[in-house]
Amino acid sequence: AQSVTQLGSHVSVSEGALVLLRCNYSSSVPPYLFWYVQYPNQGLQLLLKYTSAATLVKGINGFEAEFKKSETSFHLTKPSAHMSDAAEYFCAVIWYSSASKIIFGSGTRLSIRP
Amino acid sequence: AAGVIQSPRHLIKEKRETATLKCYPIPRHDTVYWYQQGPGQDPQFLISFYEKMQSDKGSIPDRFSAQQFSDYHSELNMSSLELGDSALYFCASSLSRDRGLQANYGYTFGSGTRLTVV
Repeated sequence: AQSVTQLGSHVSVSEGALVLLRCNYSSSVPPYLFWYVQYPNQGLQLLLKYTSAATLVKGINGFEAEFKKSETSFHLTKPSAHMSDAAEYFCAVIWYSSASKIIFGSGTRLSIRP
Repeated sequence: AAGVIQSPRHLIKEKRETATLKCYPIPRHDTVYWYQQGPGQDPQFLISFYEKMQSDKGSIPDRFSAQQFSDYHSELNMSSLELGDSALYFCASSLSRDRGLQANYGYTFGSGTRLTVV
């Protein structure tokens, strides 16, 4: 069955440290992949997307993600965390076989320690 | 640039009342999606419309209905509200004629309507 999994419901890093948020998908055909960020009491903002072009995708706010087909992963990284990065992050997919709706992972809450 | 507009931003209703949420997609977008996000939950797909016809259906309760109008705006109608319906309701729009284009848009979401049922 097709699924998208985010490992770790809560990640805490120190300011200036590396941020790594994990996302894996389960499908024989790679889907379109997205990362969205949701700040407290806010809507969903697109960070970046993979649509079968370059495997290393750069997004807003210094985030990037690398699509690795062999690992069925699309992990989100940022070299140096900033206090303003504290938010909920959702990995999301569009499956080729679906009627085009976007499906979200369970989300990872990122906390930044001073 | 124009974004997806949702109204109202906040709504408080009592149990068993009805509520109507509105979504105005980005101009020229032909597809609208509705999502429900409960407290501490990920957004769950409810229903979508393409060219004014229902295109897909998710975990939408029978008490809810939705439609897309000739100007492509959509309304989510919720009846017999329950406490568990309290959530953030998102609308997203896309141009669905081309799957590749659709993915490139990455779906634009509105800011959501926060519904509180008391």
